[in-house]
Amino acid sequence: GAVVSQHPSWVICKSGTSVKIECRSLDFQATTMFWYRQFPKQSLMLMATSNEGSKATYEQGVEKDKFLINHASLTLSTLTVTSAHPEDSSFYICSALPGGGDEKLFFGSGTQLSVL
Amino acid sequence: EDQVTQSPEALRLQEGESSSLNCSYTVSGLRGLFWYRQDPGKGPEFLFTLYSAGEEKEKERLKATLTKKESFLHITAPRPEDSATYLCAVSSGSRLTFGEGTQLTVNP
Repeated sequence: GAVVSQHPSWVICKSGTSVKIECRSLDFQATTMFWYRQFPKQSLMLMATSNEGSKATYEQGVEKDKFLINHASLTLSTLTVTSAHPEDSSFYICSALPGGGDEKLFFGSGTQLSVL
Repeated sequence: EDQVTQSPEALRLQEGESSSLNCSYTVSGLRGLFWYRQDPGKGPEFLFTLYSAGEEKEKERLKATLTKKESFLHITAPRPEDSATYLCAVSSGSRLTFGEGTQLTVNP
């Protein structure tokens, strides 16, 4: 199956700093990538949809100035959490859509962010 | 608005004790129903896609079925390594809507 690589797996940062998370599709081109957030024992909450070469579409309640998404190529999307605060601590997961009519998503391994 | 409800929230089985997980959904135009497995601290791993009522898919000890209102994930003779959270999701267009998941624990 298709492989999506997400890096880093975990990150600890101080409050007020920014953190960048990378998501790469390794063996396919992804015109669309999705970013999710997951709290313990809860399901995935869609944060934004990112299409290559255009601005991301954010879900209601997600601050686009806080969660910057860049999808500069068909294999790479990045999520930058700007001026992180403890309430931003969460598990962030990216996913990629190979396209071709199949709506099956492939997920990265996730990034656990802890803001001190 | 698409909705997905999974039950039970948690399920404990003895090794070899078969059971089923339920996923009820309401969607405006189903384009696909997806089952994923998620281990702690990991991203979801794709299991099955079902597209139309009556469809069935199998993989090892897992079998997924679909009706017009719900899907079942049957686990036959589960093993401890089947312990995970199983997520159901539906697609009606540009996004997937996920259920809360069923946390399965299989005791040896």
